[in-house]
Amino acid sequence: AQSVAQPEDQVNVAEGNPLTVKCTYSVSGNPYLFWYVQYPNRGLQFLLKYITGDNLVKGSYGFEAEFNKSQTSFHLKKPSALVSDSALYFCAVSPLGGGATNKLIFGTGTLLAVQP
Amino acid sequence: NAGVTQTPKFRVLKTGQSMTLLCAQDMNHEYMYWYRQDPGMGLRLIHYSVGEGTTAKGEVPDGYNVSRLKKQNFLLGLESAAPSQTSVYFCASSYGQANNQPQHFGDGTRLSIL
Repeated sequence: AQSVAQPEDQVNVAEGNPLTVKCTYSVSGNPYLFWYVQYPNRGLQFLLKYITGDNLVKGSYGFEAEFNKSQTSFHLKKPSALVSDSALYFCAVSPLGGGATNKLIFGTGTLLAVQP
Repeated sequence: NAGVTQTPKFRVLKTGQSMTLLCAQDMNHEYMYWYRQDPGMGLRLIHYSVGEGTTAKGEVPDGYNVSRLKKQNFLLGLESAAPSQTSVYFCASSYGQANNQPQHFGDGTRLSIL
């Protein structure tokens, strides 16, 4: 079965420290991968995507993600966390082929808490 | 810059009642989606549409119906609400296919079924 796993329900980090939010996936073929962020009482906002090419993808608000095919991972990173980065982060993968090109599979989300 | 607008923002229903959730986008997007968000389960696709007049089932379509009579609107209907449908519902739209285009989300409809 095709799936996305975010193994940490919550990640705590001090402001100014680097952060990593983990994501692993299980899909056939070469997937397209996404990160979205959700602030309280708001819809999801697109952060970045990996389609092909360079394994390090840069996105909005200073975030980046590293695609690792051998480990089937797509971890979200930021060199220096801000309190305003505190939010719920979702990894998503699009399986390839047929009608599946119109669907995203979302992980269960990771709550990032940045302490001042 | 309205983007994706969902109506209503909150609603409480009794079991067996019906209602329609409205979604409107002003970005001229072809693709539209309805998701539900439940604690610990992420977002699950209910139905989606690849253009005006078309609809298709997603991961959890049972108990819901949809219509896309106009390109800018995507309606989600609950014919006979059940407590299991208590959730936060999100509408999204995208310019192209979900596998390579970002989706733009509304702020959600919080629905409680008593």
